[in-house]
Amino acid sequence: DAKTTQPTSMDCAEGRAANLPCNHSTISGNEYVYWYRQIHSQGPQYIIHGLKNNETNEMASLIITEDRKSSTLILPHATLRDTAVYYCIVRVGGAETSGSRLTFGEGTQLTVNP
Amino acid sequence: DGGITQSPKYLFRKEGQNVTLSCEQNLNHDAMYWYRQDPGQGLRLIYYSQIVNDFQKGDIAEGYSVSREKKESFPLTVTSAQKNPTAFYLCASTSVAHEQFFGPGTRLTVL
Repeated sequence: DAKTTQPTSMDCAEGRAANLPCNHSTISGNEYVYWYRQIHSQGPQYIIHGLKNNETNEMASLIITEDRKSSTLILPHATLRDTAVYYCIVRVGGAETSGSRLTFGEGTQLTVNP
Repeated sequence: DGGITQSPKYLFRKEGQNVTLSCEQNLNHDAMYWYRQDPGQGLRLIYYSQIVNDFQKGDIAEGYSVSREKKESFPLTVTSAQKNPTAFYLCASTSVAHEQFFGPGTRLTVL
């Protein structure tokens, strides 16, 4: 699985958009970008994933560059409850991955300030 | 409600004792995983299982053992051979879909 690079920490004002970057310059053509977050002392929670196109769900948007070497997770209106560690993970996705592993780095600690 | 349960939430053991952490899922997922997390660190994979009666070592399997006798259950035993067992342990499961579901975790402290 490709390695990812994320900033150690970021701050965001409540109500503003939080943009979390991730570099994955060695990503392969069949690897997806996944985002998870972990609120303190809880299990990680899936947020979103994408292959090439930008994706949006009720939690966030994922913007992937055309060369797929980097991506940005966007929380459009951050709240205090979004304070968490955010993990960007790259791995092969789809049916062939049943049983395959996620490799977690240290992630980005996002702190949303009132 | 469908999900993953881990018990107990907090566990204390004396040095030299084996201890077993429970993980149960009712999501009908084939694959299950155990991760370890130390303070300020990411998750590290201990063991994983893709089907019943089969499992593979992850990155830090030494001092741990698992079994997968039922699809719903994947218990982890922390043995006395694990030199630094105090940590937060997370269980997860997944189907052929993309999302991996995590349990609430068990915090193990060795006294």
